[in-house]
Amino acid sequence: EAQVTQNPRYLITVTGKKLTVTCSQNMNHEYMSWYRQDPGLGLRQIYYSMNVEVTDKGDVPEGYKVSRKEKRNFPLILESPSPNQTSLYFCASSPKLFGEGDYGYTFGSGTRLTVV
Amino acid sequence: AQSVTQLGSHVSVSEGALVLLRCNYSSSVPPYLFWYVQYPNQGLQLLLKYTSAATLVKGINGFEAEFKKSETSFHLTKPSAHMSDAAEYFCAVIENTNAGKSTFGDGTTLTVKP
Repeated sequence: EAQVTQNPRYLITVTGKKLTVTCSQNMNHEYMSWYRQDPGLGLRQIYYSMNVEVTDKGDVPEGYKVSRKEKRNFPLILESPSPNQTSLYFCASSPKLFGEGDYGYTFGSGTRLTVV
Repeated sequence: AQSVTQLGSHVSVSEGALVLLRCNYSSSVPPYLFWYVQYPNQGLQLLLKYTSAATLVKGINGFEAEFKKSETSFHLTKPSAHMSDAAEYFCAVIENTNAGKSTFGDGTTLTVKP
């Protein structure tokens, strides 16, 4: 089944303890992206990647890191989590972003992170 | 810089009534526009997208949207609401000058009353 898999689904951690949220897609998509969703704020893009070893900042990159060493994986790293990073996180992938044809982001099921 | 405004954070309709969810965008170049739906405790699912091939776009589940450049709008409609349409809907824009950057609206929660 074509999908984007995020792990874990739920995570409670303490301030300052490094964590990684994994994201993997099995569709050979070029583009991958991380978003955070907060009530009333919609989805805000954290980082995106246009291909292996090509990443760039979205609108809210502070406090996050990413890497794209393989096409299928795009982990989100929080080196020193803080309570303001408590949020619902989504990973998404797409074969391309515009033009004609079949495209558009496929989203994972989300990771609910609580930092205490 | 691109931006998206969804008018109305909550919309309530009766079952069988017209659904209209509003989205206005701002973009310095021709945009690519999307509508996504999010059901409770799930990720987002693509409803439809505007690609410049046609101004009226049909999507899944009976939804459609019309791109109006003069009004910078991309409103989502469905002629007859069903209980299963209750969800949160997001409008999104991508500019082809910065292909990775995507901007989502704040979302509109649709409630369908029996």
